[in-house]
Amino acid sequence: EIVLTQSPGTLSLSPGERATLSCRASQSINNNYLAWYQQKPGQPPRLLIYGASSRATGIPDRFSGSGSGTDFTLTISRLEPEDFAVYYCQQYDTFGGGTKVEIK
Amino acid sequence: EVQLLESGGGLVQPGGSLRLSCAASQFTFSTYAMSWVRQAPGKGLEWVSAITGNGGSTFYADSVKGRFTTSRDNSKNTLFLQMNGLRAEDTAVYYCAQQLSGYRIFETWGQGTQVTVSS
Repeated sequence: EIVLTQSPGTLSLSPGERATLSCRASQSINNNYLAWYQQKPGQPPRLLIYGASSRATGIPDRFSGSGSGTDFTLTISRLEPEDFAVYYCQQYDTFGGGTKVEIK
Repeated sequence: EVQLLESGGGLVQPGGSLRLSCAASQFTFSTYAMSWVRQAPGKGLEWVSAITGNGGSTFYADSVKGRFTTSRDNSKNTLFLQMNGLRAEDTAVYYCAQQLSGYRIFETWGQGTQVTVSS
């Protein structure tokens, strides 16, 4: 069973700053199956990135995904106030533990 | 716009049963695999179960295998999750999700329904 480890657990940043979130897999995975989601309190998750680097419909281009093999990254180029949330990576049946991006 | 609306959650005693429903609209339901994903209070996301578009194949997490059954009625655009032998650790918000064609990636999510297992 593949384990996804996200780091850091919490990221404290200011609006306008760049956010870099990491997702590491316990073994090499197929890029096609790596996705990122955003979840705000009281809301369902929203698909941001699929196939490791493809943005989902309607997702702003400040969100980008990269990586391959066991190391994947979600980057938010300039944080907007609405971007402060929890972010999860996912591969097939497995989700990472999440990274909370909070306002510094 | 794709819409998914869950219902059927509630408070149930340990060992009890519940049947969740997910009504889908604004897409060709029968052509999409669907999943259930849950989130325990204050915790992360856990995939629970999936079903192919024609309902011919189902898949379950080890934590629910043998207790939960996923089915669908494509004539009514509805997904179901029958939950038997409920345990305290099944307490969570249950989401239904439309899968991205060909992948177990969750493109659209419902708002969720709360299931609480407690005596």
